[in-house]
Amino acid sequence: GDSVTQMEGPVTLSEEAFLTINCTYTATGYPSLFWYVQYPGEGLQLLLKATKADDKGSNKGFEATYRKETTSFHLEKGSVQVSDSAVYFCALILTGGGNKLTFGTGTQLKVEL
Amino acid sequence: DTEVTQTPKHLVMGMTNKKSLKCEQHMGHRAMYWYKQKAKKPPELMFVYSYEKLSINESVPSRFSPECPNSSLLNLHLHALQPEDSALYLCASSQLGNTYNSPLHFGNGTRLTVT
Repeated sequence: GDSVTQMEGPVTLSEEAFLTINCTYTATGYPSLFWYVQYPGEGLQLLLKATKADDKGSNKGFEATYRKETTSFHLEKGSVQVSDSAVYFCALILTGGGNKLTFGTGTQLKVEL
Repeated sequence: DTEVTQTPKHLVMGMTNKKSLKCEQHMGHRAMYWYKQKAKKPPELMFVYSYEKLSINESVPSRFSPECPNSSLLNLHLHALQPEDSALYLCASSQLGNTYNSPLHFGNGTRLTVT
C-alpha cells in the first residue's frame, strides 16, 4: 500500500541553523505531496505542496522538491527560528484517490536560542 | 486564526456518557472530515462527508456516530466510549475534488479524555 516515511525526531537545532527533514514515499500511482505543520496545542496547517515531479513547493522560507527518481520530498529551510518549533508531517494523496491523505509519522523540531 | 471552529476545546466524559463534538466552517467547502490523533502520532482518518453524505467510514466502531446536518456543520456523537478513545479529535474541510487542488483546512481539535 501507499506509505510515507519520515526521519525520526526530535530534531534539535540552534536558531539560524539549516534544516532538513527527510521524507520518502511509496505509492502505486502518481501522488501529490504535502508538508503539514502542527504547532503545540493546535490543529494541522498546510505548509506547502507539490503536485507533480520536479515541482517545488515553498512557503514561509520552507521548500521541498518533488523528486520522482528518489521518491522523496525533503523539507528544507535555510535559517530556522524558535517559532518554527513544531511537529512536521509529510503526506501524500494519490491522483484520483479521493480525499484520503496518507501521513508520515511526523518529525518534531525543536529550535533553541 | 483557524477557519474551522471546533467545540468544545476540551471534554472529559465517563464511559456511560453521551456527548457530541461540533465542527463548523464557512468557507463553502463541501467535504468535511473527522480525524483522530493520539499523542505523538499522525492523524488517522475516521469519516469523510461529501455533499453532506457519508462517503468514507474507515471501519470506525459504532460508538462513534457522525452527522452532517448541513454543508457548514459536522458533528461527532459519542456514546459508551472506552479509555483508549482518549485522543485529539480533529475536524477538517476542503473543496471537493482531488485534495491537491483543495488542501484540507483543520480545526484546532477537541481534546477528549474518557474516564
